[in-house]
Amino acid sequence: KAGVTQTPRYLIKTRGQQVTLSCSPISGHRSVSWYQQTPGQGLQFLFEYFSETQRNKGNFPGRFSGRQFSNSRSEMNVSTLELGDSALYLCASRKAPTGTGDTEAFFGQGTRLTVV
Amino acid sequence: GNSVTQMEGPVTLSEEAFLTINCTYTATGYPSLFWYVQYPGEGLQLLLKATKADDKGSNKGFEATYRKETTSFHLEKGSVQVSDSAVYFCALILLGSTDKLIFGTGTRLQVFP
Repeated sequence: KAGVTQTPRYLIKTRGQQVTLSCSPISGHRSVSWYQQTPGQGLQFLFEYFSETQRNKGNFPGRFSGRQFSNSRSEMNVSTLELGDSALYLCASRKAPTGTGDTEAFFGQGTRLTVV
Repeated sequence: GNSVTQMEGPVTLSEEAFLTINCTYTATGYPSLFWYVQYPGEGLQLLLKATKADDKGSNKGFEATYRKETTSFHLEKGSVQVSDSAVYFCALILLGSTDKLIFGTGTRLQVFP
């Protein structure tokens, strides 16, 4: 079956612009989480969604936002881009929230965002 | 708080050498533990997991045992290959109201022929 699909794979934006990244989870998976990966900070949790509802949010400024659609696809948006937003953004999908006992998360290949 | 500590890398080994990557954790509850691997230019792939104390996760020759008494989940492989060269991340999750994975800083493994 198809894995987690993130688009685009690479993106170059200018400071001050905004960007939208997309994540299509594995078919049948309804839980989506987003992570930011940078050399300095490592892997940091951004937010998670289930059934179109944000369940949890990491410690990021309000410029970072996200949403989930009824087909479980998710988008994240970063407004007023800063140089420090340059990172690999990873999306992970699960069948359901971990409260059900299913702990395995499947990651996409990520979107590499470069802010210049 | 909850955190994961991994040994600093890079770890440089010759092919067929024994591998150990140390991982310890701090958690307010009873976590599930994971090892993920990231190959160059790729996302994360789940390597193995353990959900309760004394569980041993294993996959592709890699093993890790959930040690509650020492709060550790060290990754081992008896004989590494050049194709194992990658970055390895230890992570935990606390079941309940969040799906948030807490990752260690990652350990780069370089295997030479």
